[in-house]
Amino acid sequence: AQTVTQSQPEMSVQEAETVTLSCTYDTSESDYYLFWYKQPPSRQMILVIRQEAYKQQNATENRFSVNFQKAAKSFSLKISDSQLGDAAMYFCAYRRRPNTGNQFYFGTGTSLTVIP
Amino acid sequence: DSGVTQTPKHLITATGQRVTLRCSPRSGDLSVYWYQQSLDQGLQFLIQYYNGEERAKGNILERFSAQQFPDLHSELNLSSLELGDSALYFCASSVGGDPGYEQYFGPGTRLTVT
Repeated sequence: AQTVTQSQPEMSVQEAETVTLSCTYDTSESDYYLFWYKQPPSRQMILVIRQEAYKQQNATENRFSVNFQKAAKSFSLKISDSQLGDAAMYFCAYRRRPNTGNQFYFGTGTSLTVIP
Repeated sequence: DSGVTQTPKHLITATGQRVTLRCSPRSGDLSVYWYQQSLDQGLQFLIQYYNGEERAKGNILERFSAQQFPDLHSELNLSSLELGDSALYFCASSVGGDPGYEQYFGPGTRLTVT
């Protein structure tokens, strides 16, 4: 069974600094998607970044980038130049690519605090 | 604003009752997803519909059911409610049914079962 593990329940970062959130997953599949979602205090879920497993290049979206290590089944999120608005709960998620009745699996989340 | 609407925003009901949560996807999106977020279970995927048909099924209880109508809006029906069903229920929509399409989440419906 697929599982997603976020081992850091809470993290903090100084404004303008860089922080890395960890995520590991377990799967026997070779083709899948990985996601990072952000949930601010408003509770709205927002997609931060997406990685396709068959792509070796790490995904990047402005200040957000990932370090995707397929062999190690690791998918960490790096936030550069942290801003106060980055404070939120961050969820790592996995879904197998062939859409054949598969599920989404979410980690338990990492609460990020940004210190002014 | 994601363009996904969910009604009601809040719902308080008693154990044993039945409720219906409604979701309207973004214009043009054919796929609708339902998620449950609770303190003890975390964030869980419940079910996905694509163009009116069930596409994927997650940890949805037998007491729960969903459907997607011809106008593409979706409803999640929760019956024989228990205290543990208290949670935030999200709906999300995407253009396609493949997991690669970006999902846009609604603001959620907060269900409290007393």
